[in-house]
Amino acid sequence: SAVISQKPSRDICQRGTSLTIQCQVDSQVTMMFWYRQQPGQSLTLIATANQGSEATYESGFVIDKFPISRPNLTFSTLTVSNMSPEDSSIYLCSVRTESPEAFFGQGTRLTVV
Amino acid sequence: AQSVTQLDSQVPVFEEAPVELRCNYSSSVSVYLFWYVQYPNQGLQLLLKYLSGSTLVESINGFEAEFNKSQTSFHLRKPSVHISDTAEYFCAVSDHTGTASKLTFGTGTRLQVTL
Repeated sequence: SAVISQKPSRDICQRGTSLTIQCQVDSQVTMMFWYRQQPGQSLTLIATANQGSEATYESGFVIDKFPISRPNLTFSTLTVSNMSPEDSSIYLCSVRTESPEAFFGQGTRLTVV
Repeated sequence: AQSVTQLDSQVPVFEEAPVELRCNYSSSVSVYLFWYVQYPNQGLQLLLKYLSGSTLVESINGFEAEFNKSQTSFHLRKPSVHISDTAEYFCAVSDHTGTASKLTFGTGTRLQVTL
């Protein structure tokens, strides 16, 4: 298993600003995943972050809007840039270890006003 | 590519009644199947998983799910629910390509348990 800590747990931000979300894992993992959960919706994968290489973004998500860093095997950040109210969502960090299931952080609840 | 369908967006049920949350998937390859639970204002927790072997899998809090390959289903059941089971339940599927494989989630089913 893996224990994931996400910071901040929630934030209220002004439109046009940026927020960086941190994800710390208690063990080394190859792949880390970032999801968005819009209000009342399911999870949508934003990107996959592999240590030492550029993140791979899913259709509809771009690096300029959601830059990701992966400096080592236990840490990653997701930045939500130039925010608008439509970015109000829960953002979740996830990892997979040797077993197929994924483990999730508690999420970051972002409100853009 | 895989897809997951959860037909019921909301399921209201009285406490101590049985419940079934439906999940159907589509995939051209062998899959792993999962149920995750999200309690209010919390992240996702793994409830149970099917990887291989016995098609009936159980969780520690009384939920069970049965993998039915011919029906491409993985329905979640509990014979007697509690108020504390009120939460959002997500069915998810991934292929067998290891840690890089992506999880595809259904749209979720909100289980509302009342007295």
